[in-house]
Amino acid sequence: DTGVSQDPRHKITKRGQNVTFRCDPISEHNRLYWYRQTLGQGPEFLTYFQNEAQLEKSRLLSDRFSAERPKGSFSTLEIQRTEQGDSAMYLCASSLDFSGARTDTQYFGPGTRLTVL
Amino acid sequence: GQNIDQPTEMTATEGAIVQINCTYQTSGFNGLFWYQQHAGEAPTFLSYNVLDGLEEKGRFSSFLSRSKGYSYLLLKELQMKDSASYLCAPQGAGGSYIPTFGRGTSLIVHP
Repeated sequence: DTGVSQDPRHKITKRGQNVTFRCDPISEHNRLYWYRQTLGQGPEFLTYFQNEAQLEKSRLLSDRFSAERPKGSFSTLEIQRTEQGDSAMYLCASSLDFSGARTDTQYFGPGTRLTVL
Repeated sequence: GQNIDQPTEMTATEGAIVQINCTYQTSGFNGLFWYQQHAGEAPTFLSYNVLDGLEEKGRFSSFLSRSKGYSYLLLKELQMKDSASYLCAPQGAGGSYIPTFGRGTSLIVHP
């Protein structure tokens, strides 16, 4: 088990460009989450998937953000028309939810650090 | 909504004991996570409390009082490698049970 992986680890882009990040969860995990973290803050929830279904999105998530998990395995997070305020660490986490258990522990990937110039 | 309060920064000496407190107000509550995050790295799971009381796991213990909306993380025999941010994350009771993370407590362990 290689854990949660994210690609790229770092991304520098110019304002107005689109960016896409990829997350590969732990193989048997059915839940996948995206968070955003800025310096001095805890991770802020963006969205999550149960298998391929996107079940919840934060009200803070702008229309410029979209996420997919087409086959219930890897996921992508796209940010369109990036703004300087989008600069942050984007974290992906996965967990195994079995029998509707409420205690699924999230395992985080190393994150993608986005810098918008 | 959720309101989570934990100290911004704490310092302690190697070998000592430190207690990091967290108070929370949530709309529904199921349990509470503690995560450790070293600078520039991803958070890693430390503990999960759902019932009142103390859960001990090696040098780390976590306590929960549901009625008081209060938890603490206790770190014993501090080591330099324990210097990190510690994130308190209460878990709501509705829907997906996704935890909400506090801003974290930056712990600095010095010799």
